[in-house]
Amino acid sequence: GQQVMQIPQYQHVQEGEDFTTYCNSSTTLSNIQWYKQRPGGHPVFLIQLVKSGEVKKQKRLTFQFGEAKKNSSLHITATQTTDVGTYFCAGRDNQGGKLIFGQGTELSVKP
Amino acid sequence: KAGVTQTPRYLIKTRGQQVTLSCSPISGHRSVSWYQQTPGQGLQFLFEYFSETQRNKGNFPGRFSGRQFSNSRSEMNVSTLELGDSALYLCASSNRQGVTNYGYTFGSGTRLTVV
Repeated sequence: GQQVMQIPQYQHVQEGEDFTTYCNSSTTLSNIQWYKQRPGGHPVFLIQLVKSGEVKKQKRLTFQFGEAKKNSSLHITATQTTDVGTYFCAGRDNQGGKLIFGQGTELSVKP
Repeated sequence: KAGVTQTPRYLIKTRGQQVTLSCSPISGHRSVSWYQQTPGQGLQFLFEYFSETQRNKGNFPGRFSGRQFSNSRSEMNVSTLELGDSALYLCASSNRQGVTNYGYTFGSGTRLTVV
């Protein structure tokens, strides 16, 4: 069945450093979504990418969707302590099937 | 507008018992999905409902079941509880219609502990 892999599992950075998490799907996706979950909280929707090669920015966050629509990345520039949390990608296959989440990347930021 | 409401927030059950969890989606959202979150397995998909119909189902045993009512509220039931069912159960609603996809709004979850 459809699988979504995400790396790395953990990332520890110094405040001000950049951070990137990568997501790969075993199948072509119709779209990919990104979520952030703060410690003790629930996932919060960040963005959805639909088009091949799409790039979207939200302030210091840059999201990319691969040309083949099988991979995606989230890059945070100059991390802040408020960026702490687990970032999940979630992909839906071309048949409009279930939304499958990656394992998440837990980001910790040292001030 | 009100967010996704899940009840109860916390639950402690004994092995072999059954449990019913409830989810009220955002008003106007007709799609409800359920996920199980555990530290080791991440977010595992359970079910997705749209207009009272189950549209997708994850790879969970038959002990896990769900339904959606005409007002879009959803319930999930787990029978014959096992220790491994201890997890955070998250409900998410969206405006998903047909093949048009929207981001999910998650509830705060129900923390189930099986002892």
